[in-house]
Amino acid sequence: EIVLTQSPDSLAVSLGERATINCKSSQSVFYSPANKNCLAWYQQKPRQPPKLLIYWASTRESGVPDRFSGSGSGTDFTLTISSLQAEDVAVYYCQQYCSVPPDTFGQGTKLDIK
Amino acid sequence: EVQLVESGGGLVQPGGSLRLSCTASGFSFSSQWMHWIRQTPGSGLVWVSRVTGDGNTKDYADAVKGRFTISRDNAKNTLYLQMDSLRAEDTALYFCAISRRSAGFDSWGQGTLVTVSS
Repeated sequence: EIVLTQSPDSLAVSLGERATINCKSSQSVFYSPANKNCLAWYQQKPRQPPKLLIYWASTRESGVPDRFSGSGSGTDFTLTISSLQAEDVAVYYCQQYCSVPPDTFGQGTKLDIK
Repeated sequence: EVQLVESGGGLVQPGGSLRLSCTASGFSFSSQWMHWIRQTPGSGLVWVSRVTGDGNTKDYADAVKGRFTISRDNAKNTLYLQMDSLRAEDTALYFCAISRRSAGFDSWGQGTLVTVSS
C-alpha cells in the first residue's frame, strides 16, 4: 500500500500571499502508459465533502480557479495557491490512484489565514 | 448535474449491522465504478470499497474485508454497503463517490454518519 505524507500538517498564510503544501509518496506514482503521475488534490471545507481540485498531478478540474496549481513527479508533489483568498481556508488532501486498490490519501493539511 | 445522496447511517451497537445506500443521478450509473470512502477525525479519508458498473468485481480495504459487502442495483441507480460485525473503529462519515476519468474522485455525496457504540 502506498503511503502519502503531507507537510506541513497546518499552515497559516496572509491574504494575497502564496501557500504551498507538499505530498510525499512512499513509492513512485508515475504511470508509464499515460506518461503521467496518478496524484490528485482535494479541498475540504467544514461540513462539506472533499472537492477535486487537481488530477494527474497538474491538471485543474473544470471550474477550479487558476490560482491553484499542482506540480511534481514520481514521489514528490506540491499544491500551490498563488494568492490566498479567504474562501481558500480549508483542509487539503492528496490522493494516489496508481496502485489500487486501495486508493490512499494523505493525512491532510489545514490551511488558515494569518 | 451529478448527484449522490447517501442514507442509512445511524447509531448501532458493536457487533451489529447497518446497510448504507447511495442514490445516484445525472450520469450513466451502470457504466461507472462506484466507491465508498469513510472519514474520521483521527484517520482522515480512507477508501473502503469499490464495485464495477456491472457489479461483478468488488474490492475491499483490509480493515473491512469479510465484514462489509458492496453491491448495486442498476435498475434503481443505487449503491449499497452492507456492514456487519461493526466495531467502534468503523465509526465514521461514509461517502459514496465516483471517478469518471479514473483520475481522482470527481463527485462525492454529502455523507452519512455511522456511530458504533454501546
